Amino acid sequence: ETGVTQTPRHLVMGMTNKKSLKCEQHLGHNAMYWYKQSAKKPLELMFVYNFKEQTENNSVPSRFSPECPNSSHLFLHLHTLQPEDSALYLCASSQAPAEVADTQYFGPGTRLTVL
Amino acid sequence: RKEVEQDPGPFNVPEGATVAFNCTYSNSASQSFFWYRQDCRKEPKLLMSVYSSGNEDGRFTAQLNRASQYISLLIRDSKLSDSATYLCVVTGDRGSTLGRLYFGRGTQLTVWP
Repeated sequence: ETGVTQTPRHLVMGMTNKKSLKCEQHLGHNAMYWYKQSAKKPLELMFVYNFKEQTENNSVPSRFSPECPNSSHLFLHLHTLQPEDSALYLCASSQAPAEVADTQYFGPGTRLTVL
Repeated sequence: RKEVEQDPGPFNVPEGATVAFNCTYSNSASQSFFWYRQDCRKEPKLLMSVYSSGNEDGRFTAQLNRASQYISLLIRDSKLSDSATYLCVVTGDRGSTLGRLYFGRGTQLTVWP
């Protein structure tokens, strides 16, 4: 399935690097999300975008900076990360705006390792 | 406070077995409930929604008990391909949180031949 794609699939970076994660949805959806999945923890919502506008920042540190240039693309810019930021970062999208309970479709994720 | 709690397992069952997973949630005003499935090193995918009246999809049956804030998933006649982590998911209750998904840690299932 290629409804939601993410690149890169794997990323190793040092704490002083700057990198970006990319997500693209081909489903014509209106809402996009960033989640973090760490080992032994539930998925944690990071950011929500409705119609390109950020509607939620779930107390995410400023070293993570999202960008949504249009309703199909979502980026997560990373800088000066910490080793504890190593995790699987998942992008998701939904047809309905994020205020409505709707099925979310996930991308394959980017597995990030911070050295 | 954990929004959604699940027994992490692992559950190891033989093919053909019946297995049940349970989940509890903390927000009594939550509106919608789902089970997602996540295969090893893959993304979560919706398995089924959960309704108060209970619902069935082939070998899978989901139940919701709002009074007890309890959700269950029953898998009958387990197949090898059912091996995965099953995520209990609950939405918010109102306003901007209505569509927000709260995930449990997941219950790991391994079906062996």
